Amino acid sequence: DGGITQSPKYLFRKEGQNVTLSCEQNLNHDAMYWYRQDPGQGLRLIYYSQIVNDFQKGDIAEGYSVSREKKESFPLTVTSAQKNPTAFYLCASSIGGSAEQYFGPGTRLTVT
Amino acid sequence: GIQVEQSPPDLILQEGANSTLRCNFSDSVNNLQWFHQNPWGQLINLFYIPSGTKQNGRLSATTVATERYSLLYISSSQTTDSGVYFCAVERGIYNQGGKLIFGQGTELSVKP
Repeated sequence: DGGITQSPKYLFRKEGQNVTLSCEQNLNHDAMYWYRQDPGQGLRLIYYSQIVNDFQKGDIAEGYSVSREKKESFPLTVTSAQKNPTAFYLCASSIGGSAEQYFGPGTRLTVT
Repeated sequence: GIQVEQSPPDLILQEGANSTLRCNFSDSVNNLQWFHQNPWGQLINLFYIPSGTKQNGRLSATTVATERYSLLYISSSQTTDSGVYFCAVERGIYNQGGKLIFGQGTELSVKP
C-alpha cells in the first residue's frame, strides 16, 4: 500500500524536552511538508523540502528543525525553544511544487 | 501574503439537503485544493482544482481563477459528510515550493 505514515499517533512530553516526530512516504514523491494545526484553526506551514538534502522554512519555523537525508523520510524535531508546542502535526508529500499534496494521519503532541 | 477566506464558518444541514461552500482568495494561485477533515483529524483529498470544474460523485467543485474564488458543492448530503472542509491555495508566483495557505475551514454538521 502506498501512503504516508506518521508516528506516533499520540505523544506526551514534559516541557523543556526536545521531541522528534516521524514522517515516512513510499509514494516516491520529491517534496515533503510539515504543517501545524491548532484547535479550530486551519493548517500552517512549518518547513518544506523539495528535494533530498534541501529544505526551507515555512511561516512558523521558529522552535522547529528538520532533516531530509532520504527521499522517503522527513522527521520534524520540536525543540524546547518552541513556546507553544502542544498541537496537531501533519506531514504531507507531493510529486513536486504546485502538485497535489497528500497528507498523513497526523501526530497529536501534548507538552505539559 | 495571500489571504484565504472560507464561508460560511459553520453549516447545519438535514440529511439529503444540498450545500455550497465558498473559498475566496486574494491573489493568483498555482494550486487550489479542497480537503475534508474527518473526526480523527485525517485530511482527505477532495479536489485539486486551480481552475475549471470537476465532479466526483455527489461532490463537485468550480474554481474561477480570474475572479479569485472556488466553490464546493455537496448534493444529497449524508451524515458521513460531517466534518471540517478546508480550502488551501498556493500563491501563483515563481517557486513557491508548494507552500499551501489554508483557510479557516467550514464546519459542516449533517443531521439524520
